[in-house]
Amino acid sequence: EPEVTQTPSHQVTQMGQEVILRCVPISNHLYFYWYRQILGQKVEFLVSFYNNEISEKSEIFDDQFSVERPDGSNFTLKIRSTKLEDSAMYFCASLGVGETQYFGPGTRLLVL
Amino acid sequence: GEDVEQSLFLSVREGDSSVINCTYTDSSSTYLYWYKQEPGAGLQLLTYIFSNMDMKQDQRLTVLLNKKDKHLSLRIADTQTGDSAIYFCAETHRGGGGNKLTFGTGTQLKVEL
Repeated sequence: EPEVTQTPSHQVTQMGQEVILRCVPISNHLYFYWYRQILGQKVEFLVSFYNNEISEKSEIFDDQFSVERPDGSNFTLKIRSTKLEDSAMYFCASLGVGETQYFGPGTRLLVL
Repeated sequence: GEDVEQSLFLSVREGDSSVINCTYTDSSSTYLYWYKQEPGAGLQLLTYIFSNMDMKQDQRLTVLLNKKDKHLSLRIADTQTGDSAIYFCAETHRGGGGNKLTFGTGTQLKVEL
């Protein structure tokens, strides 16, 4: 069964450093998303992406964040200058013709 | 904005039924979902229901939707220890295509022997 994959599974970085989180969505899907989950809290929407552009973003998704689909398979989330409060689990999701978003296993980001 | 609320904990005995409840505020919600999250893992889609339905059954899972009260529930029949996890309800509106999911706080289900 097709699935969304994410790399790395864990990332530790120093405050102020740039990180890139990678996702490979399901191959025929058209909509892509990033969500995050701070430890013990609810899953929060960050951004959705369709037809090579951002279709919606939350107030969390400020200028420090960017997304890109650099080729036909990868979907990346970049955090330019990480802050302590960016520590969270980041989930990628993709949606095809149907009505359900399929989630990847997540990348756990720890900012020290 | 949209808000989705759930109770935080539920404890049941193995073999009993579990009922996890969720309330939401967005009257334009069109699809409502249940996701399962095991410790350290991602979000596994369990089931979903379209807002013009009031019930959906899928093996041990039964979803009930009361659109008037904006109340959604997930019933797990014959609960097993493997069902121990956090269960999130989520909603989206204007159809699933391209629209963000708004998640509830999650209900931690503990299944005791």
